[in-house]
Amino acid sequence: GNSVTQMEGPVTLSEEAFLTINCTYTATGYPSLFWYVQYPGEGLQLLLKATKADDKGSNKGFEATYRKETTSFHLEKGSVQVSDSAVYFCALSRAGGSYIPTFGRGTSLIVHP
Amino acid sequence: GAVVSQHPSWVICKSGTSVKIECRSLDFQATTMFWYRQFPKQSLMLMATSNEGSKATYEQGVEKDKFLINHASLTLSTLTVTSAHPEDSSFYICSASFSGEGADTQYFGPGTRLTVL
Repeated sequence: GNSVTQMEGPVTLSEEAFLTINCTYTATGYPSLFWYVQYPGEGLQLLLKATKADDKGSNKGFEATYRKETTSFHLEKGSVQVSDSAVYFCALSRAGGSYIPTFGRGTSLIVHP
Repeated sequence: GAVVSQHPSWVICKSGTSVKIECRSLDFQATTMFWYRQFPKQSLMLMATSNEGSKATYEQGVEKDKFLINHASLTLSTLTVTSAHPEDSSFYICSASFSGEGADTQYFGPGTRLTVL
């Protein structure tokens, strides 16, 4: 079956540091890949997505590249801000009637001033 | 665009009572809606998937008679927690998607915090 594995958190960084959150997946075929972000006390929001190999999704300074050869979709940001503190979920979605999603367990990011 | 609301945002109820949570897509027609339960340490568990006008498909281990899901229209799905008990206390999140291009993307509601006393 499908699965998503992302690095354990929390990840603690100082402001302006470089961020990488690793995500690898297992799926048959060609899923779409996503990063969702959850700010404290809120629901999840789509951060970025990529639908095919070598696509790069980007938003708000965050980037992730769909790497089929390594089945990875690592999230990166060159300079984090305190306001980026949140929980980040890697996910995949495959056509199967209703695009049933598979989520990773989430990685908490804490950015200190 | 693609805004999903949930109501209520939080609810406290007594053990044995039933609680209904609404999930609405405000600016699009939601072909499919999903209900999740989020546990401490952020783990997100898919409870069920519902398509408008048909019965929900529940994930393994989720009690259908306890968590009643109705998706009567393209903009509204409801989750009713029947005979709630303290172990049902959790953060419940819905999401919605539409058909066609972009159907693989989910749009989430802000969540409902349920506390059962």
